[in-house]
Amino acid sequence: DARVTQTPRHKVTEMGQEVTMRCQPILGHNTVFWYRQTMMQGLELLAYFRNRAPLDDSGMPKDRFSAEMPDATLATLKIQPSEPRDSAVYFCASLRQTQGAGELFFGEGSRLTVL
Amino acid sequence: GESVGLHLPTLSVQEGDNSIINCAYSNSASDYFIWYKQESGKGPQFIIDIRSNMDKRQGQRVTVLLNKTVKHLSLQIAATQPGDSAVYFCASLTQGGSEKLVFGKGTKLTVNP
Repeated sequence: DARVTQTPRHKVTEMGQEVTMRCQPILGHNTVFWYRQTMMQGLELLAYFRNRAPLDDSGMPKDRFSAEMPDATLATLKIQPSEPRDSAVYFCASLRQTQGAGELFFGEGSRLTVL
Repeated sequence: GESVGLHLPTLSVQEGDNSIINCAYSNSASDYFIWYKQESGKGPQFIIDIRSNMDKRQGQRVTVLLNKTVKHLSLQIAATQPGDSAVYFCASLTQGGSEKLVFGKGTKLTVNP
C-alpha cells in the first residue's frame, strides 16, 4: 500500500535547537509539498518541489526554514533555530498528476513542539 | 488573492442523517476543487474532486455540488456514520496558474450515535 512516510512523528525540542523533518514521497510521484497546520492558521503551504527542483517557497520563513530534496525519495524540512511559534504539525504530501491535476497524498505528519 | 473559507466551523448530526458541509471560494479563476477528510492524528485524505466544467459529482455516499455563480461548493454525506466524524477541508486550485492548493480552515463533523 503506497503512502507518504514522514519522520519523526513527534518531536519535542527546546528553543534554538535545529529540527529536521524528513519525508519519503510515494514512488513515482514527482511533486512534493510541505504544509504546516495550526489551529489558528489551518493548513499553510510552505514549499513545493517538482522533479526535485523548488518551485515555490514563498510561504516559508527564509531566515530559519529550508527545504530540500537530496534525491527523488527524500524531502527534508529544516528549522534552525527553532522557536516556540514553530510548534505545529508539519505535513508532507506528494502528487500523482493526471492531466495537470491530481489528488494529493498526505503523510501522517510530524508534530513539533518547541519549548 | 485566492482564499477558501467555510461557513461553519462545527457540524453535529445524528447517525443515519445526511450531512452537508459548505465552502465558499473567492477566486473565480479556480477550476478544480477537492474535499479532504482529516481524522484525529492523521493527515488529510482525499474524498472527492470536481472540475469547474461540472456542477455535481457523486461518489460512494458523498456528493459534491459546485455553484460557480456564487462561488460555493458543498459536500453532502448520505447516511452519516460515526466513522465520518472528522474535520473536512475544501481546497481549490487554478490549473492554469500556480499549483498551490488553497485550503479552507475546516469544518469539524461530529456524528452522534
